Amino acid sequence: AQSVTQLGSHVSVSEGALVLLRCNYSSSVPPYLFWYVQYPNQGLQLLLKYTTGATLVKGINGFEAEFKKSETSFHLTKPSAHMSDAAEYFCAVITNRDDKIIFGKGTRLHILP
Amino acid sequence: NAGVTQTPKFQVLKTGQSMTLQCAQDMNHEYMSWYRQDPGMGLRLIHYSVGAGITDQGEVPNGYNVSRSTTEDFPLRLLSAAPSQTSVYFCASSTGLAATYNEQFFGPGTRLTVL
Repeated sequence: AQSVTQLGSHVSVSEGALVLLRCNYSSSVPPYLFWYVQYPNQGLQLLLKYTTGATLVKGINGFEAEFKKSETSFHLTKPSAHMSDAAEYFCAVITNRDDKIIFGKGTRLHILP
Repeated sequence: NAGVTQTPKFQVLKTGQSMTLQCAQDMNHEYMSWYRQDPGMGLRLIHYSVGAGITDQGEVPNGYNVSRSTTEDFPLRLLSAAPSQTSVYFCASSTGLAATYNEQFFGPGTRLTVL
């Protein structure tokens, strides 16, 4: 069965520092991978997604993620954190077989001034 | 477009009461779904629908019913509320099946407390 593991329920970085949020997945077939962001008291919105093709995917707000099949990972990065990046981030996976999207438990990103 | 709308925003129920959470979308999306979000648990799929008249169970369907009589609406019914159903509920829609990797658009959520 497919699953998603996000390492670290809380991550703190200083403003201007590199943001790295980790996501590992388990899937027996090629997955489709997503990162969603949730700002306080709002629903989720899509940051970026990987389906096929280029393994480095660029999203909104300067975020990007790299699909590494050998490591079963899809980590989210941003070179320089901004205060407005403070939010909760969810990694998600779907496969053709299940036809359902499975979300990780989320990582709350804190930006320190 | 209003996107995905949910009502009410907040609701308090007593154990055993029933209620319906409303969800509507004006994007002509075929796929709609309901999730619950609990601290440290991420989002868990309750029920989903791939089109009018078609619904299926997700990961945590017990205690909830859904129906899809129109493309636009996908209400979630709590039959007999329990404290374990205290959560934030999100409705989402997309242009096709999740397997077609289309972006899901989420509503603002309904915060439900069951006493």
